[in-house]
Amino acid sequence: EVQLVESGGGLVQPGGSLRLSCAASGFTFSSFWMHWARQAPGKGLVWVSRVKSDGSSTNYADSVQGRFTISRDNAKNTLYLQMNSLRVEDTAVYYCARSSGALARLTSWGQGTLVTVSS
Amino acid sequence: DIVMTQSPDSLAVSLGERATINCKSSQSVLYGSNNENYLAWYQQKPGQPPNLLIYWASTRESGVPDRFSGSGSGTDFTLTISSLQAEDVAVYYCQQYYSTPITFGQGTRLEIK
Repeated sequence: EVQLVESGGGLVQPGGSLRLSCAASGFTFSSFWMHWARQAPGKGLVWVSRVKSDGSSTNYADSVQGRFTISRDNAKNTLYLQMNSLRVEDTAVYYCARSSGALARLTSWGQGTLVTVSS
Repeated sequence: DIVMTQSPDSLAVSLGERATINCKSSQSVLYGSNNENYLAWYQQKPGQPPNLLIYWASTRESGVPDRFSGSGSGTDFTLTISSLQAEDVAVYYCQQYYSTPITFGQGTRLEIK
């Protein structure tokens, strides 16, 4: 069974940093592109970033470009999102998800981790 | 960026009746080389992550009941639930994966009338 379990969320002040993790199991992690998406409270889904299966290629939404860094450790079956210079508007539930290719649907999602940016 | 616009924003349908949700993209998501529409539909129930229902605009994901169907091509797409069940109450999102950034529609909230 595919499992994606996010962790690392919490309360952080504006301008602060946080690193999210997503532990994957039940599939060959190193074969899949991985994504982060987020959902502000009561709002819709927004794609944040993706990383190629071998970590060699990454893409970001304009709203996080230069502040967030996606990475992965295929030996540990873990996806990361380093979030710096956090803003109030980054407050959201952050989901990790997998896809079979660069341009592919998101077939499995984690339960999400809540990030709250507030003073 | 490709903008995805869903209609309506909310919808109330009686049990057993048909529900129809529309999605329009600001540019075509039909890829010429394989004639596939890079369009997916997701269902999100309260407190849960999204769940993939439909991909390539009309292919049902494994395990999805056949009362869910997708149609359309190019820029105009539709998700249809043929006979609404109580467990279908959720927010539904369309999503294009034709180009980055991947973008979602704003969501359509489906309720029981």
